[in-house]
Amino acid sequence: GQQLNQSPQSMFIQEGEDVSMNCTSSSIFNTWLWYKQDPGEGPVLLIALYKAGELTSNGRLTAQFGITRKDSFLNISASIPSDVGIYFCAGRLIKAAGNKLTFGGGTRVLVKP
Amino acid sequence: DGGITQSPKYLFRKEGQNVTLSCEQNLNHDAMYWYRQDPGQGLRLIYYSQIVNDFQKGDIAEGYSVSREKKESFPLTVTSAQKNPTAFYLCASSQVAAQETQYFGPGTRLLVL
Repeated sequence: GQQLNQSPQSMFIQEGEDVSMNCTSSSIFNTWLWYKQDPGEGPVLLIALYKAGELTSNGRLTAQFGITRKDSFLNISASIPSDVGIYFCAGRLIKAAGNKLTFGGGTRVLVKP
Repeated sequence: DGGITQSPKYLFRKEGQNVTLSCEQNLNHDAMYWYRQDPGQGLRLIYYSQIVNDFQKGDIAEGYSVSREKKESFPLTVTSAQKNPTAFYLCASSQVAAQETQYFGPGTRLLVL
């Protein structure tokens, strides 16, 4: 079963806002990945994190690998309409066979009406 | 351009019919994966393969079968034993080395007539 809790499940953004989402688990991971999925498309890798405490940016996106190795967060600064989509976190357990990833349930980002 | 291709984009299945989804990659990746995504849900692993002529069951393998006769190709067959096949199917690939990230294809949406 799913071992990653991703929150919030959905959020509304207004252009220019900063938004945050996170993933937590009771298990320890050695890799955290953040993906974005547009409707009807495959997920696209945004940021990969490999060390506890690591903070990595990709344009307006910033992600961190939690010190406890059980969590990660993603920040989007100065959001724009094309940030709409579903964001997934994925982690690799320390002894995952076959480099298998565990996925969170996703955070759906929508534009405020 | 290197990448992962999936075909068809949409596939319709009649009751009792087996259908095969194609996944091809030219990234020279050793490992390939099949995921199922249901509406509003995260990704669940069906099967994965780390090397030609070898594959392993994921979390929801029942009703599915795969083959890995070539490094570039990892077709998925949805058999008649899969009673609820309607979903979005995603193929991914990666290198086998530890902590390598997975890259996704554009997906195939399977619908039951």
